[in-house]
Amino acid sequence: QQPVQSPQAVILREGEDAVINCSSSKALYSVHWYRQKHGEAPVFLMILLKGGEQKGHDKISASFNEKKQQSSLYLTASQLSYSGTYFCGTERGGTGKLIFGQGTTLQVKP
Amino acid sequence: EAGVAQSPRYKIIEKRQSVAFWCNPISGHATLYWYQQILGQGPKLLIQFQNNGVVDDSQLPKDRFSAERLKGVDSTLKIQPAKLEDSAVYLCASSDSGRVGDTQYFGPGTRLTVL
Repeated sequence: QQPVQSPQAVILREGEDAVINCSSSKALYSVHWYRQKHGEAPVFLMILLKGGEQKGHDKISASFNEKKQQSSLYLTASQLSYSGTYFCGTERGGTGKLIFGQGTTLQVKP
Repeated sequence: EAGVAQSPRYKIIEKRQSVAFWCNPISGHATLYWYQQILGQGPKLLIQFQNNGVVDDSQLPKDRFSAERLKGVDSTLKIQPAKLEDSAVYLCASSDSGRVGDTQYFGPGTRLTVL
């Protein structure tokens, strides 16, 4: 039931792009993306809703393929501040309950 | 707007002792969540409240964990007795209504170490 994220870890240079994927075997209502820095709380980035609506960060883009139950987070022209662990949370039951993936660690180097 | 508040930030206890965590959600948020995050893993939902009622506690180890949200605002999570495997960060989150697509906002967490 836990969504699967890939890759597990990414190392980038500043200015490079990255894509993080999140896949579920079950039908989803929405996918939520968060970034967590070491020792801090997860910070909301974006929500993708069934039907195509998106809410969130205007400098980060994402997609949600309802047929495949897969979401991708696109990080373009990465900055040092993008470093952290990215989690997707999937919502199935319409109650707001999220099940989080295992996380993707992103490290951006100068 | 103030965020989600949690206390204490850190707690170290011996196994078989009891411990309690406190959470104050964002003002006006009806839905409150407690998550357990073990090092290197994603947050795992323990319990979800809608106002002062429980929506989901299917993952809460009820033989040792309990939670309440009196008056539909603040919440406390208690562990009694604690085990070594309870060492984790306990995150509290809140959202406006708990409906589909509602944003959850997380507090700073309480890092629990059980020795």
